[in-house]
Amino acid sequence: DVKVTQSSRYLVKRTGEKVFLECVQDMDHENMFWYRQDPGLGLRLIYFSYDVKMKEKGDIPEGYSVSREKKERFSLILESASTNQTSMYLCASSPDSFNQPQHFGDGTRLSIL
Amino acid sequence: SQQGEEDPQALSIQEGENATMNCSYKTSINNLQWYRQNSGRGLVHLILIRSNEREKHSGRLRVTLDTSKKSSSLLITASRAADTASYFCATDAMSSGGGADGLTFGKGTHLIIQP
Repeated sequence: DVKVTQSSRYLVKRTGEKVFLECVQDMDHENMFWYRQDPGLGLRLIYFSYDVKMKEKGDIPEGYSVSREKKERFSLILESASTNQTSMYLCASSPDSFNQPQHFGDGTRLSIL
Repeated sequence: SQQGEEDPQALSIQEGENATMNCSYKTSINNLQWYRQNSGRGLVHLILIRSNEREKHSGRLRVTLDTSKKSSSLLITASRAADTASYFCATDAMSSGGGADGLTFGKGTHLIIQP
């Protein structure tokens, strides 16, 4: 089975901090995704990546950046955390962006104080 | 922008009954997928239906797709307490340039199965 592992289940940070969320997948998938999930808003795509060192903006990239230096790892970076970035963050991977199911990690619940 | 919209937002039924959830979307799609999310966990893929398919089955799940109405339904038959979860549809939309823009998720239907 595909395993997508997010480094932390819960994380508390302070306003202005630089925050790193890490995601690792073990199935050699080309594509990886970061979403945030908020009550009443569903899942929204932040960034995705088709290949190492490649990245594409999703629907809400503002305030975020990403890094994909290795195929199995996709990092989400909050450059200067703000309280409106308090959310559940979900990472996913797939062998093909558009015609295959995505496999999700269990999420990181991030609180910015 | 949000593509899929599930209906109803919440559904509570008795164990053993069938549960039907609907999804509407706005633009042309390559495929539509349904996912389940248990409380505090990530999403789990249930079923994918392509734009040229009208119905698909997987165990107790039945999905229909009507591209003329831009809608899909997910039917769970003989529901069990373990089916309690949120269910999301996700569309793989075609961009105006002919390529795809990635999955867009709806807000979900929260299903509660009463024992």
